[in-house]
Amino acid sequence: QVQLVQSGAEVKKPGASVKVSCTTSGYTFSSYDITWVRQATGQGLEWMGWMNPNSLNTNYAPEFRGRVTMTRDNSISTAYMELSGLRSDDTAVYYCARGIRNLLYSDHWGQGTLVTVSS
Amino acid sequence: EIVLTQSPGTLSLSPGERATLSCRASQSVRTNYLAWYQQKPGQAPRLLIYGVSNRATGIPDRFSGSGAGTDFTLTISRLEPEDFAVYYCQQSGTAPRTFGQGTKVEIK
Repeated sequence: QVQLVQSGAEVKKPGASVKVSCTTSGYTFSSYDITWVRQATGQGLEWMGWMNPNSLNTNYAPEFRGRVTMTRDNSISTAYMELSGLRSDDTAVYYCARGIRNLLYSDHWGQGTLVTVSS
Repeated sequence: EIVLTQSPGTLSLSPGERATLSCRASQSVRTNYLAWYQQKPGQAPRLLIYGVSNRATGIPDRFSGSGAGTDFTLTISRLEPEDFAVYYCQQSGTAPRTFGQGTKVEIK
């Protein structure tokens, strides 16, 4: 079955960077996009961007451009999202999700990774 | 950027009742690029509806989606106890892909 398993919770200081991993199984990694979405406590979903693991094409939401980098390691079917210049308002749960390329929706999601930014 | 506005913010209903959730876009959504997700506390979102009206795998037929242009609706025909959750619409036809702010369906 399709699974996306994310790395564990992180605590970072303001100004630092965080790299979250998303290890996939149960499907051909390169045939689907990976989307990243975050959710601050008690808030709604915020789309961060997507990556095509095959072409390495990416598209980032404007508010994250310059701070976010989405990469992958095809040999281990794993995607990564790195966010730099962390601020307290980056404290959130970060989700990866498998993206369907024709209508661009996300059909399977990781369990989420809590990133806490605190001095 | 397309802004999606969901209403109402909270819907208080009893099991067995019908739920109608609205998602209105600030500009026309590219045909079929509208999805709905359900999220329960402490869980990741779950895909319910894609392409405006197609149920995802394993989603019961009490869930239905409709709409076009700027107005979309998610209907739950008869609420079951497990349906009380937060629901989000998302458009993916125009970058950046945006979510609505969510509608919470709570037990009355």
